[in-house]
Amino acid sequence: GENVEQHPSTLSVQEGDSAVIKCTYSDSASNYFPWYKQELGKRPQLIIDIRSNVGEKKDQRIAVTLNKTAKHFSLHITETQPEDSAVYFCAARINAGGTSYGKLTFGQGTILTVHP
Amino acid sequence: DAGVIQSPRHEVTEMGQEVTLRCKPISGHDYLFWYRQTMMRGLELLIYFNNNVPIDDSGMPEDRFSAKMPNASFSTLKIQPSEPRDSAVYFCASTTNIAKNIQYFGAGTRLSVL
Repeated sequence: GENVEQHPSTLSVQEGDSAVIKCTYSDSASNYFPWYKQELGKRPQLIIDIRSNVGEKKDQRIAVTLNKTAKHFSLHITETQPEDSAVYFCAARINAGGTSYGKLTFGQGTILTVHP
Repeated sequence: DAGVIQSPRHEVTEMGQEVTLRCKPISGHDYLFWYRQTMMRGLELLIYFNNNVPIDDSGMPEDRFSAKMPNASFSTLKIQPSEPRDSAVYFCASTTNIAKNIQYFGAGTRLSVL
């Protein structure tokens, strides 16, 4: 099955700085990569996603890049704000046959703290 | 739409007791997922259903765990007997097309087994 590794596990930045979180995946059949943000005590919520036919996607201060050859993808947050503080999860989804079809495999999460 | 609804939000029980967690997916969503979240293991998929039928239960940790989906608007995750190591946050999520659409998560049930 798919295996997703996420780094770093914790990330501390000053307000206004950029934050980068990186994930690698193992199964080349994965072709959909969402990022979820989970605030303390809340549910995971999708913030951005990318499909394998695209190398980069941007939405205001957040962007995601994908390198299919290297099997890694990254989340970039620019001009960080204290409200960006949360746990961020990457995930990969296989769109091929078999019992893994369509399942999201999550990374371990990154605790991002943005200091004012 | 109210989103995915889970109950209870918090559950405290003693070891050996039966625990039942409940989930109502978003109306029209035909896929339902149960996840467990712990600090050590992160977010793990336990089981998922399509059109009320269990498709993949390979993530269910052991026979003490069981899940049902008697109709399109309701699912349960049962733990019997519960153990302290089952303490976690359990999330339910739903989507309309497993290959294309994002999964929408419920607010979760925080389970503490004493």
